[in-house]
Amino acid sequence: KQEVTQIPAALSVPEGENLVLNCSFTDSAIYNLQWFRQDPGKGLTSLLLIQSSQREQTSGRLNASLDKSSGRSTLYIAASQPGDSATYLCAVVDDYKLSFGAGTTVTVRA
Amino acid sequence: EAGVAQSPRYKIIEKRQSVAFWCNPISGHATLYWYQQILGQGPKLLIQFQNNGVVDDSQLPKDRFSAERLKGVDSTLKIQPAKLEDSAVYLCASSLSQQTNGYTFGSGTRLTVV
Repeated sequence: KQEVTQIPAALSVPEGENLVLNCSFTDSAIYNLQWFRQDPGKGLTSLLLIQSSQREQTSGRLNASLDKSSGRSTLYIAASQPGDSATYLCAVVDDYKLSFGAGTTVTVRA
Repeated sequence: EAGVAQSPRYKIIEKRQSVAFWCNPISGHATLYWYQQILGQGPKLLIQFQNNGVVDDSQLPKDRFSAERLKGVDSTLKIQPAKLEDSAVYLCASSLSQQTNGYTFGSGTRLTVV
């Protein structure tokens, strides 16, 4: 059974600092990995989708890397802003199932 | 393209009452999912449909939860009777091809059982 872990569970940084969010998974036989953002009480917004054959994906200030062999992904957010405050969830697709981590709650202080 | 539509956004009911949630996936997405997200946890899959057939409902509490997807488009999730521990956000998602396209989620329905 796939287990997805996100560390840390919470993170507080001053505005302008770079954010590094970690995700690990136990079974490397995945199709892809997706990073989501969730604002309090809201649904999930897809940020980046990395196929299993890719090493990284970039979108604006966001960059996500994938190391399948070690079962790790990292989401980098450059020059954080208060609007980046949210919970970030990583999820992997394997065997036709999407498995989520519990998320990292980020607070960016102005 | 229009996103995944869900209604209602919020619902408060008393325990032992019944409730229903509705989801309209992105047009053309054959696969539809219902997830339950309890506060502080990641979403947990309740049921997965491929067109109007059930692919996986292994984590659906079938004594009180039911779901259907008539005509392979809209879907409804029902809880009857509700318990306090059913308080959660219920998320609907759809996918064209989960292996290559990922998932698109709706805004969710926040259920509070009192």
